[in-house]
Amino acid sequence: GQSLEQPSEVTAVEGAIVQINCTYQTSGFYGLSWYQQHDGGAPTFLSYNALDGLEETGRFSSFLSRSDSYGYLLLQELQMKDSASYFCAVRRNFNKFYFGSGTKLNVKP
Amino acid sequence: DTAVSQTPKYLVTQMGNDKSIKCEQNLGHDTMYWYKQDSKKFLKIMFSYNNKELIINETVPNRFSPKSPDKAHLNLHINSLELGDSAVYFCASSQGAQADTQYFGPGTRLTVL
Repeated sequence: GQSLEQPSEVTAVEGAIVQINCTYQTSGFYGLSWYQQHDGGAPTFLSYNALDGLEETGRFSSFLSRSDSYGYLLLQELQMKDSASYFCAVRRNFNKFYFGSGTKLNVKP
Repeated sequence: DTAVSQTPKYLVTQMGNDKSIKCEQNLGHDTMYWYKQDSKKFLKIMFSYNNKELIINETVPNRFSPKSPDKAHLNLHINSLELGDSAVYFCASSQGAQADTQYFGPGTRLTVL
């Protein structure tokens, strides 16, 4: 089986930086993805890490440490529109993605 | 242009009924998925098809039967609906079964009364 842990809720102010952590336990690990989901909306892809290190895409960065079974999503220059749920997902056995329960990010003015 | 579309968006039905949800993607992808998101927002994979062949079948009651008539369509039929089936069902697609990125549809909110 597999398990993923991420904080249930995080609050930050506009313009700040926030880090959302994800720890996982799984066999057959291939990589870690991050998705954003606004209330009532569909999950949308943010990033994927297969190798250790930091991947940067605009204001968002994602980090993976395979040896620590740990990753995080870093959001910089927070905007109100970043208020959403963020899911980490492990890629297991090549073609299966298992999602965590999500972190609700509240951005306050 | 809608990339991944689902119908219906909302579905309210009685226990014991049979219902279907349809999904279509116009991205030219060859792999499609069904996910279930429960009230706690836990998103769980149910099925995946690659080139119309079933490649992932998680531990799902056999009341759920997916069908892929072609690479662009994946339908989900549910028999004898139960209260616990109430959830949002998302269809997704990707280019290849090993793709890093999946594109999700808008979801179908199923409520079983």
